[in-house]
Amino acid sequence: DAGITQSPRYKITETGRQVTLMCHQTWSHSYMFWYRQDLGHGLRLIYYSAAADITDKGEVPDGYVVSRSKTENFPLTLESATRSQTSVYFCASTHGLVSTGELFFGEGSRLTVL
Amino acid sequence: GDSVTQMEGPVTLSEEAFLTINCTYTATGYPSLFWYVQYPGEGLQLLLKATKADDKGSNKGFEATYRKETTSFHLEKGSVQVSDSAVYFCALSDRMDSSYKLIFGSGTRLLVRP
Repeated sequence: DAGITQSPRYKITETGRQVTLMCHQTWSHSYMFWYRQDLGHGLRLIYYSAAADITDKGEVPDGYVVSRSKTENFPLTLESATRSQTSVYFCASTHGLVSTGELFFGEGSRLTVL
Repeated sequence: GDSVTQMEGPVTLSEEAFLTINCTYTATGYPSLFWYVQYPGEGLQLLLKATKADDKGSNKGFEATYRKETTSFHLEKGSVQVSDSAVYFCALSDRMDSSYKLIFGSGTRLLVRP
């Protein structure tokens, strides 16, 4: 199916474990983003990528790693999960300048760290 | 830095009531402004946007006017429906290096009762 998909949709893990959240888009959008959504904070940008092999930090990058070896995939890895990383994670993409506002979001991945 | 402030929710209304969700922003340049909507269990979707002062964005009966003098972008709808129950996010675009990013407010939950 066309669009942007995230997996897993739900994940429970333990403190200290490595977790990878996957994001895949079928539009060949150049820009991709990872946000986390927490009560009282709205959406905060973790990392973004302007193209394959180009990534950069957002507002809250600590504890996260990303890669973009292919245009369509943008995985987010928590190398050693902490309870503070319990959140809902959203991947988004857009083809051009973000100033157009046309970000397309995945359905989210709910992560619980015990 | 740039920021977006929204009224805290939840906002509870009866069907056919008038809706206003306040949004104010701070920005150093000339941002574009957006409203996104998140229905239960889904990702965010662009609802409307305005790219310059005095522009009015509209969609699905919702409207918002870009007011530079008051740095505001309040969302309004004349007659809400139960199906409008969702979380609404105000956002602005901000230039970051050679690209743009979106800065989101914390979101306002709207609950419409029949």
